[in-house]
Amino acid sequence: EVRLVESGGGLVQPGGSLRLSCAASGFTFSNNWMHWVRQVPGKGLMWVSRINSDGSYINYADSVKGRFTISRDNSKNTLYLEMKSLRAEDTAIYYCVEGEAEYWGQGTLVTVSS
Amino acid sequence: DVVVTQSPLSLPVTLGQPASISCRSSQSLVFSDGYTYFFWFQQRPGQSPRRLIYKVSNRDSGVPDRFSGSGSGTDFTLKISRVEAEDVGTYYCMQGTHWPHTFGQGTKLEIK
Repeated sequence: EVRLVESGGGLVQPGGSLRLSCAASGFTFSNNWMHWVRQVPGKGLMWVSRINSDGSYINYADSVKGRFTISRDNSKNTLYLEMKSLRAEDTAIYYCVEGEAEYWGQGTLVTVSS
Repeated sequence: DVVVTQSPLSLPVTLGQPASISCRSSQSLVFSDGYTYFFWFQQRPGQSPRRLIYKVSNRDSGVPDRFSGSGSGTDFTLKISRVEAEDVGTYYCMQGTHWPHTFGQGTKLEIK
């Protein structure tokens, strides 16, 4: 059974930092692209970042470029999202997503507020 | 960015009746490998999105055969042949051909 379990969300002040993790199991993690997608509660979905199987190819949405860093540790089957200079508009549920979006985690809520 | 325009945004449907959702993209979604990376997702209240259809018309495992996807190029459609109570939720289309991948605005399906 494929499982994607996000962690690391929480309340942070504007300008602060947070690191999200996604523990993957049930598939060959090191063979797959991985992604972060976010959703403001009650609103639509937005692709945040993606990383290829060995970490050599990375893309970001313009709204997070320069502030967010995606990475992965294939030895630990874990995906990360380092978020810095957080803004109120980054408040959202962050989902870890596998490959062609067949599998999604349950999401972790990030709230940026003073 | 590729804009994906989804319609309708609200879809009240009588149980047992068909339903249809359309998406139109601002650019062709045919990738250089010949595939069209267009997907449909269902999100039930309080749950993560669930993929229903991949590459335009391929139904995911466990998805009832009353769901079908079609289309090409820039125009795509999701059809539900007979709506059931468990189909209530928000449906999103998504293009994965161009970066950034982009979603439609979502269609909220409710039972009339």
